[in-house]
Amino acid sequence: DTEVTQTPKHLVMGMTNKKSLKCEQHMGHRAMYWYKQKAKKPPELMFVYSYEKLSINESVPSRFSPECPNSSLLNLHLHALQPEDSALYLCASSHHGLAMNEQYFGPGTRLTVT
Amino acid sequence: SQQGEEDPQALSIQEGENATMNCSYKTSINNLQWYRQNSGRGLVHLILIRSNEREKHSGRLRVTLDTSKKSSSLLITASRAADTASYFCATPIQGAQKLVFGQGTRLTINP
Repeated sequence: DTEVTQTPKHLVMGMTNKKSLKCEQHMGHRAMYWYKQKAKKPPELMFVYSYEKLSINESVPSRFSPECPNSSLLNLHLHALQPEDSALYLCASSHHGLAMNEQYFGPGTRLTVT
Repeated sequence: SQQGEEDPQALSIQEGENATMNCSYKTSINNLQWYRQNSGRGLVHLILIRSNEREKHSGRLRVTLDTSKKSSSLLITASRAADTASYFCATPIQGAQKLVFGQGTRLTINP
């Protein structure tokens, strides 16, 4: 199984809502990533988990809260978002915790904040 | 600052023609990776070339790497409509678990 799955595919939320994005992989990868991508721009790294521990936080606002319950799952909890947070949120995984390895991406969650 | 810059930003060619896109980067690298992204979807890894390699092939893809010029190119031969996508180069930041993407080239293959 070489697939990274993400749910939901689309999400519309108000600025006062709390929601969560979910990501799952069963490739035995021990590194998982969250990226944010705006239209016609490259993905921007948000968080890296290595062996279930947060290893990189790219100065992301606290209204985004990542969680890695186990080696297969990665969540991104959202609270009090702003309209400018609307974007495609991509999850990825790779062997070990080294960015030198290729990354496998999920299809993304299209988030709209109203 | 951006590690990778790509050109052209957009490329439109006829089906069957070859497409070439270029990537430049700033710091020393262990490898350089190319990814494809179909509209609004996840990225797909295409090819990884290590710093001690000069050229690599995968099917219709040919990647070159010139570490002296800090540049790489991706050549897609005999293009097909299904190759329409955005293509990104990406370089790992040494000593970090971070992959930095270039701005991307939007490729359109016209039938």
